[in-house]
Amino acid sequence: GENVEQHPSTLSVQEGDSAVIKCTYSDSASNYFPWYKQELGKRPQLIIDIRSNVGEKKDQRIAVTLNKTAKHFSLHITETQPEDSAVYFCAATSTGNQFYFGTGTSLTVIP
Amino acid sequence: DSGVTQTPKHLITATGQRVTLRCSPRSGDLSVYWYQQSLDQGLQFLIQYYNGEERAKGNILERFSAQQFPDLHSELNLSSLELGDSALYFCASSVVGVGTGELFFGEGSRLTVL
Repeated sequence: GENVEQHPSTLSVQEGDSAVIKCTYSDSASNYFPWYKQELGKRPQLIIDIRSNVGEKKDQRIAVTLNKTAKHFSLHITETQPEDSAVYFCAATSTGNQFYFGTGTSLTVIP
Repeated sequence: DSGVTQTPKHLITATGQRVTLRCSPRSGDLSVYWYQQSLDQGLQFLIQYYNGEERAKGNILERFSAQQFPDLHSELNLSSLELGDSALYFCASSVVGVGTGELFFGEGSRLTVL
């Protein structure tokens, strides 16, 4: 089955700096790669996703890049703010199948 | 509000007991997933159902079982509970069809085993 690895497990940045979280996957059949943000005690919520026919997607301060050849995808957050502090999970899946989640990255934005 | 409803929100019980967690997916979503999240841990996949049928199984203990009913709601049964079963249990649903869709999570059921 699919195996998703996520790095780093913890990340601290100064407010205003950029944060990058990286994930790799193993199954070339995976074609959908979402990123979820989970605040303490709350449910994971989708913040951005990318499909295998696209190399990059941006939504304001958040962007995701996908390299299908290398089987890795990354989340980029620019101009970080304290409210960006949370745990971020990447995931990979293919149509109709289960979502394979990374182990999570705890991001702390220091004011 | 994700549209996924989970009950109960909180549950406190004793070791050896049995509990049932309930999930109603978003309207139109045929696929339901259950995840376990222990303190400061990731999302451990338990099981997936699609239109009433079991689709995929993760690291679900034999003491745990689940089903999806004809009206698409799902129940997760946890029996012979142990202290280590204390966790936040999430249900999620998605549209499964031509293209894979977003996974929508419920608010979770927090289980405390004393």
